[in-house]
Amino acid sequence: DAGVIQSPRHEVTEMGQEVTLRCKPISGHDYLFWYRQTMMRGLELLIYFNNNVPIDDSGMPEDRFSAKMPNASFSTLKIQPSEPRDSAVYFCASSQGSKGAYEQYFGPGTRLTVT
Amino acid sequence: AQSVTQLDSQVPVFEEAPVELRCNYSSSVSVYLFWYVQYPNQGLQLLLKYLSGSTLVESINGFEAEFNKSQTSFHLRKPSVHISDTAEYFCAVRETGGFKTIFGAGTRLFVKA
Repeated sequence: DAGVIQSPRHEVTEMGQEVTLRCKPISGHDYLFWYRQTMMRGLELLIYFNNNVPIDDSGMPEDRFSAKMPNASFSTLKIQPSEPRDSAVYFCASSQGSKGAYEQYFGPGTRLTVT
Repeated sequence: AQSVTQLDSQVPVFEEAPVELRCNYSSSVSVYLFWYVQYPNQGLQLLLKYLSGSTLVESINGFEAEFNKSQTSFHLRKPSVHISDTAEYFCAVRETGGFKTIFGAGTRLFVKA
């Protein structure tokens, strides 16, 4: 398996623009997680899905952030409008919730810079 | 609610020396415990995990961690480190039966020649 795939790997945008981050989880995994990593706040869970349904979005910082999972093989995290404080590395991770498999598999991340 | 505290933000150590990265957790229910490693410009990878059974768990590259319920700790150790072990290490906890994993702030391990 190719692992969790994220695109783009790097994104530079201007304040006020819309940003869309993409994630393809590992085939067969039924949990998908979006994290944000910054030096100041460390690794924060933004939202997670089970079987394409959002379960907990309490970590989404504000209404400018939204996430969707239209099918089992694709998810997006959208920021509209973007702000400089959104600059961070965004990770997608997937997990198989069935018995015995508990670890999360992380993608390589998208480094977002908002100027 | 669960929480994880990694007591050292940075740990410099010479090659072939032993190292211990400390992790304490807080939870009112039973938990699973994990150590993840992040190499530069990469995502996190699972290093080892404690689910149940033996309190001492090992990784394939020589790391080990011991679950101490009375101390609520899950410290990571390696008897002899290599330059290639330079990375950031994250301790994580999740309630049994749940899927929300809480990560510590991370410990940067620097291995010097």
